[in-house]
Amino acid sequence: NAGVTQTPKFQVLKTGQSMTLQCAQDMNHNSMYWYRQDPGMGLRLIYYSASEGTTDKGEVPNGYNVSRLNKREFSLRLESAAPSQTSVYFCASSGQGDSPLHFGNGTRLTVT
Amino acid sequence: AQKVTQAQTEISVVEKEDVTLDCVYETRDTTYYLFWYKQPPSGELVFLIRRNSFDEQNEISGRYSWNFQKSTSSFNFTITASQVVDSAVYFCALSTFPGYSSASKIIFGSGTRLSIRP
Repeated sequence: NAGVTQTPKFQVLKTGQSMTLQCAQDMNHNSMYWYRQDPGMGLRLIYYSASEGTTDKGEVPNGYNVSRLNKREFSLRLESAAPSQTSVYFCASSGQGDSPLHFGNGTRLTVT
Repeated sequence: AQKVTQAQTEISVVEKEDVTLDCVYETRDTTYYLFWYKQPPSGELVFLIRRNSFDEQNEISGRYSWNFQKSTSSFNFTITASQVVDSAVYFCALSTFPGYSSASKIIFGSGTRLSIRP
């Protein structure tokens, strides 16, 4: 009964380093999402995907790339991390139409 | 463009008081969905309720109730007889419906931190 699994849970990067945040869901959902959460700013949508091979930009896509490898996995890549990308990142998935989001437990990323 | 505004950044009440969390949204779409999520201190995000744009009936679930008014573009959340366990950050979200073959763009408000004092 895993739901949405994110790895890693914590990560510290130095400015300019790159990394990929992994996300996988086992609920056979079509749609997947990446959000970042910053104090006072709520959850902001970075990218989302309707299906394998398709992705759309959200509210704050700059500095990020995504890859929908298959129906289960949706990864978020930071090519050159910046301190402004220090945040908690949440991956989510949902079924068709108006289904609610199921969230992973988040990745706390610090960029020094 | 979609927008969700939760003007109340923080609310603090004494246990057993009633409290209402406000949510105002903007969208040009005629078909859309509104959601409330709860984020307790442990950090996970928990779905509470979904309402579509064609259903303006209020909903009650135990101590929780939701008031959806299209005329004022609001979807407010009331907790009756609040309890300490209700302390959390609450998010309102808006989703437009692009069709069953596409992903919905889901936008969140900035959240309201609710503290219930014993």
